[in-house]
Amino acid sequence: GQNIDQPTEMTATEGAIVQINCTYQTSGFNGLFWYQQHAGEAPTFLSYNVLDGLEEKGRFSSFLSRSKGYSYLLLKELQMKDSASYLCAVTSMNYGGATNKLIFGTGTLLAVQP
Amino acid sequence: DAEITQSPRHKITETGRQVTLACHQTWNHNNMFWYRQDLGHGLRLIHYSYGVQDTNKGEVSDGYSVSRSNTEDLPLTLESAASSQTSVYFCASSESSDYNEQFFGPGTRLTVL
Repeated sequence: GQNIDQPTEMTATEGAIVQINCTYQTSGFNGLFWYQQHAGEAPTFLSYNVLDGLEEKGRFSSFLSRSKGYSYLLLKELQMKDSASYLCAVTSMNYGGATNKLIFGTGTLLAVQP
Repeated sequence: DAEITQSPRHKITETGRQVTLACHQTWNHNNMFWYRQDLGHGLRLIHYSYGVQDTNKGEVSDGYSVSRSNTEDLPLTLESAASSQTSVYFCASSESSDYNEQFFGPGTRLTVL
C-alpha cells in the first residue's frame, strides 16, 4: 500500500520563507510531484523530484530524500498570491506497471498573511 | 494553444440519473485521468487510460465508467448517480512517461440531490 502525509494547514507572513513537508511510504517509489491549487481552480505543476537532492525553480525549491521517504517544498519571499493548497503526489513502479499514475496526499492549505 | 477542457462546469442532478462529464484535450496526450476531490480526501483516482480503447480502474471506480474512442476525449459516466458522488471532478492528461506532469482541466462541480 501507500501512505502520504502532509500538514493540513500552515500560516506564514508575506516576505518570509515557509517549508511544507511531505512524508510517504510507497514501495517501488519512482518520483514525487508538487502541485499548487488555488481555491476553486485546477492543480498546476510546480516540481518533480526523482533523485535525492534539491531542485530549484525561482522562488520555489523542492527537496527529496528517498531513503527517508521525505520531501519538502520551500517557498521563499512569500507573496499573497502564494496562498493556496500544495499537493504532494508520488508515482510508483508498482502501480500495475503503469506510467505516470499518481497518488496524492490530502494537501496543505497555506495562508499568507500581510 | 493546446488545452484541456471539461463540460459542464457545474451540474445538478437527481439520485438515480445517468450523468456524463466530458473531458477534451488538444495536446495529443496518450494518458488521460479522472479524479474526484473531496474535503479531507484530496484527489482520488477514478479511472485512467493510456490510449485509444484502453481503460483502467483507479482506487474509487465503483459507480463510474469511462470509454476512450479517440485520443482527445475521455468521458466519465455515472451510471446511477448517488449523493455520495457529489464532488468536484478533475480530468487530466499527460505524455507517456513517469517524468511528465499531468495537466488538469478546470473541473466540474457535480451535485447529486
